[in-house]
Amino acid sequence: EADIYQTPRYLVIGTGKKITLECSQTMGHDKMYWYQQDPGMELHLIHYSYGVNSTEKGDLSSESTVSRIRTEHFPLTLESARPSHTSQYLCASSEYRLAGGEEQFFGPGTRLTVL
Amino acid sequence: GNSVTQMEGPVTLSEEAFLTINCTYTATGYPSLFWYVQYPGEGLQLLLKATKADDKGSNKGFEATYRKETTSFHLEKGSVQVSDSAVYFCALSGLTGGGNKLTFGTGTQLKVEL
Repeated sequence: EADIYQTPRYLVIGTGKKITLECSQTMGHDKMYWYQQDPGMELHLIHYSYGVNSTEKGDLSSESTVSRIRTEHFPLTLESARPSHTSQYLCASSEYRLAGGEEQFFGPGTRLTVL
Repeated sequence: GNSVTQMEGPVTLSEEAFLTINCTYTATGYPSLFWYVQYPGEGLQLLLKATKADDKGSNKGFEATYRKETTSFHLEKGSVQVSDSAVYFCALSGLTGGGNKLTFGTGTQLKVEL
């Protein structure tokens, strides 16, 4: 079954730790995205990728970094976590369509709490 | 640039009531329009979409019509259920300087009570 997975679902960690949030999809989509969702529910695009070895920063500045070495995998890394990084992180993917109307498929999210 | 404005919540309704969640947009060209739903503790799921003017998207009793003249894509359902309680996001997909990406509204929380 084609799907998009995120691990861990919940993470509580201390300040200064390095963390990696995993995202994988089995749909063969070229495009992948990371969103940060604040407690007020608003979604902010922080990173996206249009294919292997392609990564771009999104609309909201983030101290995190991403990599895209394989089509199906798009991990997000924080080198030194801080309480301000506490948030819900959502990963998504989509298939390129020249005519537009691209549907994004979302993972279940990782809820990160930095103490 | 592209933007989406949707009504603020929370919206609280009794079961079987009629639902409208307003959504208007600003975009250049001919965007595609979407409604996504987020149930508690989950990611977003596509609820319905419309790719051109006058198209009506529908799913699970929800409907929305792409109105180019009023730049709107209001979500409606004739009779809501408790299981419809969730956060609803209006979004558009259109060309921007960074390529074809989704622009989301701020989300509207719906609470349906017995």
